[in-house]
Amino acid sequence: EDKVVQSPLSLVVHEGDTVTLNCSYEVTNFRSLLWYKQEKKAPTFLFMLTSSGIEKKSGRLSSILDKKELFSILNITATQTGDSAIYLCAVANTGTASKLTFGTGTRLQVTL
Amino acid sequence: DTEVTQTPKHLVMGMTNKKSLKCEQHMGHRAMYWYKQKAKKPPELMFVYSYEKLSINESVPSRFSPECPNSSLLNLHLHALQPEDSALYLCASSREGNRGRIRDEKLFFGSGTQLSVL
Repeated sequence: EDKVVQSPLSLVVHEGDTVTLNCSYEVTNFRSLLWYKQEKKAPTFLFMLTSSGIEKKSGRLSSILDKKELFSILNITATQTGDSAIYLCAVANTGTASKLTFGTGTRLQVTL
Repeated sequence: DTEVTQTPKHLVMGMTNKKSLKCEQHMGHRAMYWYKQKAKKPPELMFVYSYEKLSINESVPSRFSPECPNSSLLNLHLHALQPEDSALYLCASSREGNRGRIRDEKLFFGSGTQLSVL
């Protein structure tokens, strides 16, 4: 059974801080790892990673995958209160349908 | 239009009621999904439709009945639910091509239906 573990479970930081969120996984026939941000209801897509060592970047957010050590990190620099959300990591295998296994998420709170 | 629309946003029902959740997308996606998310838990896959055919049922109880009338619509029919079925129900879609042989695991989610079963 595929498994995704995220840490920390929750985090409180001050605006302007840099945070690193962790995601480790065990999956049979790995295909990709995805990061989502869930603020209220709808998870919104952040990154999809398929290759080791290649950093994906979008503004203050960046992510990288290590397929040898089976983990990914999501970095957020110069955090803002709008970054407060639950960050979900998910993995997809090479099965016959697009089936994502999600981690429990990291709840990030950014305070003034 | 990169939106997945779900209705209703909130639903309260009794254990003897029959209700339906609706999901619509106009992105031309041929894969559609139902996920269930309990409070402070990750989304859990329930059903996957590929080209309007059910391709995955994650051993979901028969009181949940999915339906895909066409490539843009996905319904979830609810009957005789239990209080423990109270949760956020998320619909999602993704691209697929070549009759499911080309997959894109980047899912687009709707805002969900918050369901309470009394």
